[in-house]
Amino acid sequence: DTAVSQTPKYLVTQMGNDKSIKCEQNLGHDTMYWYKQDSKKFLKIMFSYNNKELIINETVPNRFSPKSPDKAHLNLHINSLELGDSAVYFCASSPRGGGGDTQYFGPGTRLTVL
Amino acid sequence: QQQVKQSPQSLIVQKGGISIINCAYENTAFDYFPWYQQFPGKGPALLIAIRPDVSEKKEGRFTISFNKSAKQFSLHIMDSQPGDSATYFCAASQETSGSRLTFGEGTQLTVNP
Repeated sequence: DTAVSQTPKYLVTQMGNDKSIKCEQNLGHDTMYWYKQDSKKFLKIMFSYNNKELIINETVPNRFSPKSPDKAHLNLHINSLELGDSAVYFCASSPRGGGGDTQYFGPGTRLTVL
Repeated sequence: QQQVKQSPQSLIVQKGGISIINCAYENTAFDYFPWYQQFPGKGPALLIAIRPDVSEKKEGRFTISFNKSAKQFSLHIMDSQPGDSATYFCAASQETSGSRLTFGEGTQLTVNP
């Protein structure tokens, strides 16, 4: 009965590879997000989708491409991985996507690029 | 541009003490100020939130104090417990920009037994 789930939990890969992280929420929420948490624990939003439509696209290298096949799923594909991409990536969801919405975070995916 | 500044970066408190974490924001259009709690290896989770029409909100041992004129808000944890040891993030958003949360840098709280 996990609310927001992500796979995989850990991802170790070589520079230059392409990888994907998957996220699913079973809360019936309309809005999903991807956040990056760096080694200093700073949390920064990357993308947000509302009902499969991209609504927030922060200044993120275009090697990162989100895809939302339906409103319960938001995947993140990363091309040509670089050392600086090493971080913990969190998926989150919220009911409507309005200000004041509580965001529910997944357990995170720790990506290590060697 | 860091729109929400949080301090201290780390805090050590004895069990039973009061933990205080401060945040300051720049954007006067912000109208929602949540605090998130993150335990090691877990995602952040909403702890408590406030809107600027009130100066204080209390939920159990956790209280947010809000000073609109100073553009500051703080989290007070009364009777701090070892189980409160976690990283705390303040955040801010504005209704007109949807759910875009701007987070502070985080405070690592350690409560010693």
